[in-house]
Amino acid sequence: NAGVTQTPKFQVLKTGQSMTLQCAQDMNHEYMSWYRQDPGMGLRLIHYSVGAGITDQGEVPNGYNVSRSTTEDFPLRLLSAAPSQTSVYFCASSQIGTGDYGYTFGSGTRLTVV
Amino acid sequence: EDQVTQSPEALRLQEGESSSLNCSYTVSGLRGLFWYRQDPGKGPEFLFTLYSAGEEKEKERLKATLTKKESFLHITAPKPEDSATYLCAGLSAAGNKLTFGGGTRVLVKP
Repeated sequence: NAGVTQTPKFQVLKTGQSMTLQCAQDMNHEYMSWYRQDPGMGLRLIHYSVGAGITDQGEVPNGYNVSRSTTEDFPLRLLSAAPSQTSVYFCASSQIGTGDYGYTFGSGTRLTVV
Repeated sequence: EDQVTQSPEALRLQEGESSSLNCSYTVSGLRGLFWYRQDPGKGPEFLFTLYSAGEEKEKERLKATLTKKESFLHITAPKPEDSATYLCAGLSAAGNKLTFGGGTRVLVKP
């Protein structure tokens, strides 16, 4: 059971470039989300989805797009990378409507924008 | 707006020296208070969920408690392998979104 898989693990982008961070889960979880983690800022929610075809914005959505075409996949797109998007990005998933709402996190993508 | 605040930011302990981490929260209609452990270069790992004031949960040397305004993570007789960042998060009634605190970095020296 792989859990939540994120690719790539590391990425360096130039300002203005675009890229997609991949996230896949094999636990049939309805809920998926993207967080960014910055020193002193904690984990902040970027976008989330409660099921295929349904997405919504979190606390810091600007500069990021998401889509959810399948239950398993929830990619995060940076349309025009900026140095302020240098961060560690985590994808997480969970069941909805059951007890113990524990999120399962991926191992993260470290992104540097130069 | 939901808020979760953790203290202290960092904690240095000698092996065997018990201590407590604090998590203060203001979360609308709290549905659950979560504790996670995060090791360097890795994603957070789920530890506990607490649902109501007075609830306690234990796992090895860790014990989590919950009041109406705070949660505590007690580390009893810690070992060096307990060194990590411990994250607290609150789930509001408004949806399935977690609000995280900034974390407490714990270093246990042998």
